[in-house]
Amino acid sequence: DAGVTQSPTHLIKTRGQQVTLRCSPKSGHDTVSWYQQALGQGPQFIFQYYEEEERQRGNFPDRFSGHQFPNYSSELNVNALLLGDSALYLCASSLFGATAAQHFGDGTRLSIL
Amino acid sequence: TQLLEQSPQFLSIQEGENLTVYCNSSSVFSSLQWYRQEPGEGPVLLVTVVTGGEVKKLKRLTFQFGDARKDSSLHITAAQPGDTGLYLCAGGVYTGNQFYFGTGTSLTVIP
Repeated sequence: DAGVTQSPTHLIKTRGQQVTLRCSPKSGHDTVSWYQQALGQGPQFIFQYYEEEERQRGNFPDRFSGHQFPNYSSELNVNALLLGDSALYLCASSLFGATAAQHFGDGTRLSIL
Repeated sequence: TQLLEQSPQFLSIQEGENLTVYCNSSSVFSSLQWYRQEPGEGPVLLVTVVTGGEVKKLKRLTFQFGDARKDSSLHITAAQPGDTGLYLCAGGVYTGNQFYFGTGTSLTVIP
């Protein structure tokens, strides 16, 4: 049973570019959440998708957008990249619900030059 | 803004010692989860607690959810080098399906 998979594992971009990160949820899960984790800190919630709609959003600018597909996989898009966007981007899948356990992928390490 | 504050932020102990990590908030959570994260990997779920006052044990790890559902603790007995990692608590809120992570506790167990 495959867990949460993310691609790519590493990515290097320059300021002003845009990037798309991908996530496949754990089998049986219908909800995907995205987090940004700076070095040495806890993950910060970006947004969550359920039934192909954005259900919750954290305190991130509109440069951060996403999508969920009918097969529950998801993409995170970031436009006009800034140096401060350098971080580990984590995807977590779960069943919808505030008590549902989240399962994380190993993340995409994004570096902005 | 971190809704959940963890303490201590860093902890370095000798193998065999006991330790407790705290996760505190002024907000009420519907559930509280604990994760361990190792470098280069995503967080791995250790436990979920949902009932105020609930205590769960996972081998040498004991987790407790506060009666008011605002805080939690993780106690490790006889720590081992394999326990080394970043410990994160995360609270789920009633009004949405959003989880707030704590600031993290970096644990190093020295052989």
